[in-house]
Amino acid sequence: DTEVTQTPKHLVMGMTNKKSLKCEQHMGHRAMYWYKQKAKKPPELMFVYSYEKLSINESVPSRFSPECPNSSLLNLHLHALQPEDSALYLCASSQVTGSHGYTFGSGTRLTVV
Amino acid sequence: GEDVEQSLFLSVREGDSSVINCTYTDSSSTYLYWYKQEPGAGLQLLTYIFSNMDMKQDQRLTVLLNKKDKHLSLRIADTQTGDSAIYFCAEIGAGNTPLVFGKGTRLSVIA
Repeated sequence: DTEVTQTPKHLVMGMTNKKSLKCEQHMGHRAMYWYKQKAKKPPELMFVYSYEKLSINESVPSRFSPECPNSSLLNLHLHALQPEDSALYLCASSQVTGSHGYTFGSGTRLTVV
Repeated sequence: GEDVEQSLFLSVREGDSSVINCTYTDSSSTYLYWYKQEPGAGLQLLTYIFSNMDMKQDQRLTVLLNKKDKHLSLRIADTQTGDSAIYFCAEIGAGNTPLVFGKGTRLSVIA
């Protein structure tokens, strides 16, 4: 299995909702990442997990809460989001942090209404 | 992360060559990448080059790296309408720093 699988592919949520984005890989990668991409902009790093521990948080608001339950799974819990949080959320993995060979998922397109 | 700069737009005629440029500031970058993103789609890795190489060719794609000037380019030969997309250069620096993307170049191919 050489893929990163993200679910759901699309999500519409209200500003009072709580939802979660899921990411899964079975390549034995020990680094996993969340990127946020606004329309016509580059992906921007949000969080890095290394060996299931949070190693980088790029000053992301607390309404985004990452979780890494095991080496294959990465979740992003969403609560009280704003319309400007609407974006494509991309998950990626690599052997270790900063190593060559990132694998990206196809993303979750989130709309906050 | 380090800044990675690209020109925002490029328009070419079908059949011509396209050259997309990128400058980066982290001289310790180990790998440099080119990603393609079509409208509404995810990221597609096109090609990459290791920092000790000057050039890499892969079918219609040629990557040139000038480490002295911190300049990376992607040449697409015989550009087709299906090449219309946003192209991002990206780098991995030394010290296990995560992948950082440039601002992206929107390539429009005119039939």
